[in-house]
Amino acid sequence: AQKVTQAQTEISVVEKEDVTLDCVYETRDTTYYLFWYKQPPSGELVFLIRRNSFDEQNEISGRYSWNFQKSTSSFNFTITASQVVDSAVYFCALFNSNSGYALNFGKGTSLLVTP
Amino acid sequence: DAGVIQSPRHEVTEMGQEVTLRCKPISGHNSLFWYRQTMMRGLELLIYFNNNVPIDDSGMPEDRFSAKMPNASFSTLKIQPSEPRDSAVYFCASRGGATTGELFFGEGSRLTVL
Repeated sequence: AQKVTQAQTEISVVEKEDVTLDCVYETRDTTYYLFWYKQPPSGELVFLIRRNSFDEQNEISGRYSWNFQKSTSSFNFTITASQVVDSAVYFCALFNSNSGYALNFGKGTSLLVTP
Repeated sequence: DAGVIQSPRHEVTEMGQEVTLRCKPISGHNSLFWYRQTMMRGLELLIYFNNNVPIDDSGMPEDRFSAKMPNASFSTLKIQPSEPRDSAVYFCASRGGATTGELFFGEGSRLTVL
């Protein structure tokens, strides 16, 4: 069975603080993909990143960075120097190309960045 | 390029009424997904189409729900009769390649059943 756990339901930080959103996944497959999506207050789901299970290299994109660790089955997301516009719900998701066909989403972490 | 287009964006209806949600996937995408989002259950997959064929509808809550994809550029999700517990945001998403996994979502249809 595949499962994505985002243990943090809500996080509140003050602008300019760094914040890490945790994601832990379960899968028996060796080939899989992990994703992060952002859902701002306007409601749409915005794709942020995709990683495959064979690439554990961390990735940085501006203030965003992702730490993928297969040893702990985690794919954590860090926002550096958070801004008010980062306030959103962030979803981690798992896709498996062999036994899955859709994204299996975690319950999401609601991030509130206050001025 | 146009993204996934959903209509209506908002729908308020009374219990027992029929509701039809519409989706136009990204041109050239061969997979289409309907998800439902609620506070309690998060994002749930309802049904998945590949090349216009329903592959798995095990996520469809019950017989009141039905989905069709008559062609590659259009899909509908119908609820008949609607119930208050169907109130949710319904998302349509499409994907271009089977091995990529990345889904592109529409803006969602917010349904309120009174």
